[in-house]
Amino acid sequence: AQSVTQPDIHITVSEGASLELRCNYSYGATPYLFWYVQSPGQGLQLLLKYFSGDTLVQGIKGFEAEFKRSQSSFNLRKPSVHWSDAAEYFCAVGARGSNYKLTFGKGTLLTVNP
Amino acid sequence: GAVVSQHPSRVICKSGTSVKIECRSLDFQATTMFWYRQFPKQSLMLMATSNEGSKATYEQGVEKDKFLINHASLTLSTLTVTSAHPEDSSFYICSARIAGQFTYEQYFGPGTRLTVT
Repeated sequence: AQSVTQPDIHITVSEGASLELRCNYSYGATPYLFWYVQSPGQGLQLLLKYFSGDTLVQGIKGFEAEFKRSQSSFNLRKPSVHWSDAAEYFCAVGARGSNYKLTFGKGTLLTVNP
Repeated sequence: GAVVSQHPSRVICKSGTSVKIECRSLDFQATTMFWYRQFPKQSLMLMATSNEGSKATYEQGVEKDKFLINHASLTLSTLTVTSAHPEDSSFYICSARIAGQFTYEQYFGPGTRLTVT
């Protein structure tokens, strides 16, 4: 069965600083990969996704992520963080044949200092 | 596009009563909807997969008689928590896949906060 690990439970960055959130997955083949963001008390919004092709994917709000097969990683990056980026970020993986189910990581809480 | 709504956003009920949560896809048809449960500061736990016109598939450990799921149309799925108890208090989130698309992308509703007193 597939699994997702987000090693960082909580990250604090200053506004304007760069950001990288880590995500590692365990799956025998190329998975479908997603990053979602959740603001307090809200549902999840899709930031970006990777299915195939170019391993560097661009998403909304200036986020990007890079799929690295050799490292089983799909890290999320943003060059300059805004205060409004403070939220919980979830990495998710979908495995072929799983009836379209997603497995989520435990999430990384991002705090942005002014 | 791809908007999912949930109703109610918050509900408080007394122990022993039942509560129904609705999940609607507003601008697309959804053959598959998912129901998740999220505890404070934790990840999403998939409870069940709901397919239009058929019985829901529950994840291991989820009581199907307690969490009744109905997916009667391509735009509506409901979750009924029967005989609710305080331990059922949680944040329930639904998501939906666009019918006819063979992708894993899910669109999420805003969630329902259930408090059982």
